[in-house]
Amino acid sequence: QVQLQESGPGLVKPSETLSLTCTVSGGSISTYYWSWVRQPPGKGLEWIGYVYYSGSTNYNPSLKSRVTISVDTSKNQFSLRLSSVTTADTAVYYCARPLTYRSSSDAFDIWGRGTMVSVSS
Amino acid sequence: EIVLTQSPGTLSLSPGERATLSCRASQSVSSNYLAWYQQKPGQAPRLLIYGASSRATGIPDRFSGSGSGTDFTLTISRLEPEDFAVYYCQQYGSSPRTFGPGTKVDIK
Repeated sequence: QVQLQESGPGLVKPSETLSLTCTVSGGSISTYYWSWVRQPPGKGLEWIGYVYYSGSTNYNPSLKSRVTISVDTSKNQFSLRLSSVTTADTAVYYCARPLTYRSSSDAFDIWGRGTMVSVSS
Repeated sequence: EIVLTQSPGTLSLSPGERATLSCRASQSVSSNYLAWYQQKPGQAPRLLIYGASSRATGIPDRFSGSGSGTDFTLTISRLEPEDFAVYYCQQYGSSPRTFGPGTKVDIK
């Protein structure tokens, strides 16, 4: 049974870079498109972007200038970097996997538990 | 970008009642790539419906999805105590993937 686990600092200073990692266990990171989704406190969900196991990416235009998502197949991990953060980036960050392998257009059936990241000085 | 609007914002119902949640898209959702998720406080979203009407694995048959194009509906035929939660729709047919603002189903 595939499980996802987010990890990284819970507190980031304004203007710095947020860095998170999602570790995939119980299955291979290969042949799937892996996404990051975030949720500010008390608000809705926002898709950040995805990375394919080959390294190709697709980002939400609203964050594209600040986002990098990468994959490390040797570690079965993928990562999120968000630069120049502000308090508006305070959110729970989730990693997620779609239903179907090799499909970039699919619903997310496996989610990590989420990690809260606060942006504050 | 496809904007999703959900209504109502809050639905107050009693256990055993029927819940009907609406999701409207600003433009047609490609291939009816529309999903519904349930989220409870402190938990990650849980996939209920994909492809507008297909139930995800392990989802009870009291949950059903319907619709096409720009108008979609999630129906919970008889509310169980564990169904009181927030429900989000999401389109994944075009980029960026977008979510609706959610409908909260609470106990009347």
